[in-house]
Amino acid sequence: DAGVIQSPRHEVTEMGQEVTLRCKPISGHDYLFWYRQTMMRGLELLIYFNNNVPIDDSGMPEDRFSAKMPNASFSTLKIQPSEPRDSAVYFCASSFWVGYEQYFGPGTRLTVT
Amino acid sequence: AQSVSQHNHHVILSEAASLELGCNYSYGGTVNLFWYVQYPGQHLQLLLKYFSGDPLVKGIKGFEAEFIKSKFSFNLRKPSVQWSDTAEYFCAVNAAGAGSYQLTFGKGTKLSVIP
Repeated sequence: DAGVIQSPRHEVTEMGQEVTLRCKPISGHDYLFWYRQTMMRGLELLIYFNNNVPIDDSGMPEDRFSAKMPNASFSTLKIQPSEPRDSAVYFCASSFWVGYEQYFGPGTRLTVT
Repeated sequence: AQSVSQHNHHVILSEAASLELGCNYSYGGTVNLFWYVQYPGQHLQLLLKYFSGDPLVKGIKGFEAEFIKSKFSFNLRKPSVQWSDTAEYFCAVNAAGAGSYQLTFGKGTKLSVIP
């Protein structure tokens, strides 16, 4: 298996623009997680899905952030409009079952200028 | 909600020195425990995990961790570090006893190994 796939790997955009991050989980994994990593706040869970259904989005910072999982092999995290404080590395992870180890993707490094 | 504390923000060691990174969690019920490593510029990778059984867990690259329930701890150890172990290490806990679906991560400990 190729592991968790994320795209793009790097994204540089201007403040106010829409940003869409993409993730393909490992086949057969029923759980998908979106994290944000910054120097100041460490690794934060934004939202997670079970069988394509959002279960807990309490970590989503504000309404500018939205996430979808239209099918078992694809998820998006969208920021609209983007702001400089959104600059971070965004990781997607997937897991086979509750509480099991999560497998992380390579991350998307987002820079908002 | 559970929380995870990693006591050291940055540890600097010489090659061949022994390593112990502390991790304490706050949940009193059944837990699943993990250590992840993040090499510079890379994603998190699983080092080792504990679900049940022998509290001394061996992972990849010579790492091990010991679960001490009475101390709510899951410290990571390696008898002799190498320059290639330079990375950031994250402890994570799943409160399995609470039916939690999440991993709670510590803030991470950055390890720098000097050749």
